[in-house]
Amino acid sequence: DVKVTQSSRYLVKRTGEKVFLECVQDMDHENMFWYRQDPGLGLRLIYFSYDVKMKEKGDIPEGYSVSREKKERFSLILESASTNQTSMYLCASSRFQGDGTQYFGPGTRLLVL
Amino acid sequence: KNEVEQSPQNLTAQEGEFITINCSYSVGISALHWLQQHPGGGIVSLFMLSSGKKKHGRLIATINIQEKHSSLHITASHPRDSAVYICAVLIWRKLVFGKGTKLTVNP
Repeated sequence: DVKVTQSSRYLVKRTGEKVFLECVQDMDHENMFWYRQDPGLGLRLIYFSYDVKMKEKGDIPEGYSVSREKKERFSLILESASTNQTSMYLCASSRFQGDGTQYFGPGTRLLVL
Repeated sequence: KNEVEQSPQNLTAQEGEFITINCSYSVGISALHWLQQHPGGGIVSLFMLSSGKKKHGRLIATINIQEKHSSLHITASHPRDSAVYICAVLIWRKLVFGKGTKLTVNP
């Protein structure tokens, strides 16, 4: 069974803080994704990576950066958290040559005060 | 313009009813996925479709490639089916998601 884990389920941070969200998958998947999910807007892609040290911007990359130093780990960084980054953050992974099925982590609910 | 449109946004049903959720898309795709998200956040994949029809228990998914349309049906709905159902299309290696349909099944 694929397992995708995220470092925290709930996180409270202050405006201006640097925030790290970590995601780890155990199925040797090449592709990894970071999404945010907001009511009425659905899932929106922030960044994705299809290989170690590779990254591509998604639909809403502003205010975020990512790091993929190892195949199993994909980190999302909020350089200077702002209140409009309060959201649910979901990580997912999939095989490079698969059918597109993505396996999701449980999500991190981030509140920026 | 959204590439993936789902309807309805919200759906309330009585236990035992037949449920249909629709998904339309406007771009060429490799595959279409249906996902389920229960309260609490976890998202699981239900189906991957590239043509025709798939069935898993009480869930049936169909796709019409020419019409760019897919439907998810739930037969004999049950309160435990209450969740958000999300349609997503595969474009290159990325999924593009609809905004989801929130289904509530009352006992």
